Amino acid sequence: GAGVSQTPSNKVTEKGKYVELRCDPISGHTALYWYRQSLGQGPEFLIYFQGTGAADDSGLPNDRFFAVRPEGSVSTLKIQRTERGDSAVYLCASSPRLAGINEQFFGPGTRLTVL
Amino acid sequence: AQKITQTQPGMFVQEKEAVTLDCTYDTSDQSYGLFWYKQPSSGEMIFLIYQGSYDEQNATEGRYSLNFQKARKSANLVISASQLGDSAMYFCAMREGRGAQKLVFGQGTRLTINP
Repeated sequence: GAGVSQTPSNKVTEKGKYVELRCDPISGHTALYWYRQSLGQGPEFLIYFQGTGAADDSGLPNDRFFAVRPEGSVSTLKIQRTERGDSAVYLCASSPRLAGINEQFFGPGTRLTVL
Repeated sequence: AQKITQTQPGMFVQEKEAVTLDCTYDTSDQSYGLFWYKQPSSGEMIFLIYQGSYDEQNATEGRYSLNFQKARKSANLVISASQLGDSAMYFCAMREGRGAQKLVFGQGTRLTINP
């Protein structure tokens, strides 16, 4: 079956601009996660959705970052007034349920470059 | 304090040899889960193996096994009979508590398999 997809695969923008990154999870997965991976680092948690609601947004670095999942499937990560430090790969993951191992399946990521 | 520590930035191993990738973790929770992910140059995170804090047996998945030493808070990944395709970044990650779903990742180890 189809895995997690993310669009665009690459995004180049100028400092101060607004960007939206999209994540399409595996069909039927109720949980969705956003992570950010800077060069040479492990992924860092940003936000987690269970259904339509954000269950944990403790990783969002500041109020320029916002994410939504209005129908409990596709999610959009929104970054306002982008800064050069926002340049990173943004990874999305989904998982099927809360019980058990609850393995997270990752997408290929969106590479964001802020000039 | 770092939650997950991977002390080996890079490892070089001859094909067909076994390799151990180190991971130590820090948590005060009794219930937690430990994960290993592989990230090839394509960028996608691939789940390899999971160990729950209450699991008495070390986890195994094909050529992957997890050497879990709870008292030492270590969860090393062992890859037997390494192959050229094993060359990648490897990340250890932890999920703390029963309700929390986010993963905390280490810095990663770059494994290179030489022919």
